[in-house]
Amino acid sequence: EIQLQESGPGLVKPSQSLSLTCSVTGYTITSGYDWSWIRKFPGNKMEWMGYISYSGSTNYNPSLKSRISITRDTSKNQFFLQLNSVTTEDTATYYCARELPGGVMDAWGQGASVTVSS
Amino acid sequence: DTVLTQSPALAVSPGERVTISCRASESVSTLMHWYQQKPGQQPKLLIYLASHLESGVPARFSGSGSGTDFTLTIDPVEADDTATYYCQQSWNDFTFGSGTKLEIK
Repeated sequence: EIQLQESGPGLVKPSQSLSLTCSVTGYTITSGYDWSWIRKFPGNKMEWMGYISYSGSTNYNPSLKSRISITRDTSKNQFFLQLNSVTTEDTATYYCARELPGGVMDAWGQGASVTVSS
Repeated sequence: DTVLTQSPALAVSPGERVTISCRASESVSTLMHWYQQKPGQQPKLLIYLASHLESGVPARFSGSGSGTDFTLTIDPVEADDTATYYCQQSWNDFTFGSGTKLEIK
């Protein structure tokens, strides 16, 4: 059974970078599919941020394209989110998820709450 | 962006039938999916590609629609169905609806 788990700092200062790790067990991220980051803001709005494919290519939400980077470490079966120049508006719960063909997210991590505050 | 519009909240009694709607600002064919999220938990996939029931999800849940109008139906509703339900399209990148909070009276 596939499992995903987010980890990283829960508090980030404005203008700094937010970095999160998604650790995957039960499936090898180079075997197939795309691996996404999604966030949920206070008030429940959800936003897809981007993904890294099983081959290493990336696709980002145009609204974040100048600030986001998604990378991976295949030896550890992990993928990463970096969001630069954060503001308080980046305060959210961040989820990693597996995306199947057709664009459905069938497996999600439990989420990592990140607060941007000085 | 493809905007998905959902009604904000519904309240129904156990045993009733409830329909949750999602309207897309442009056609997304059948590239629409539904998730259930309970407080403190991650979203759970219920329906994919508009009408396909995810494995392990009770048959009380069903989905329909194509183009711009989609519906998630729960029949009959149970107390455990209290949650927020999100639609998500994958025709044009990925966007989510604002969520429908379902209360069981």
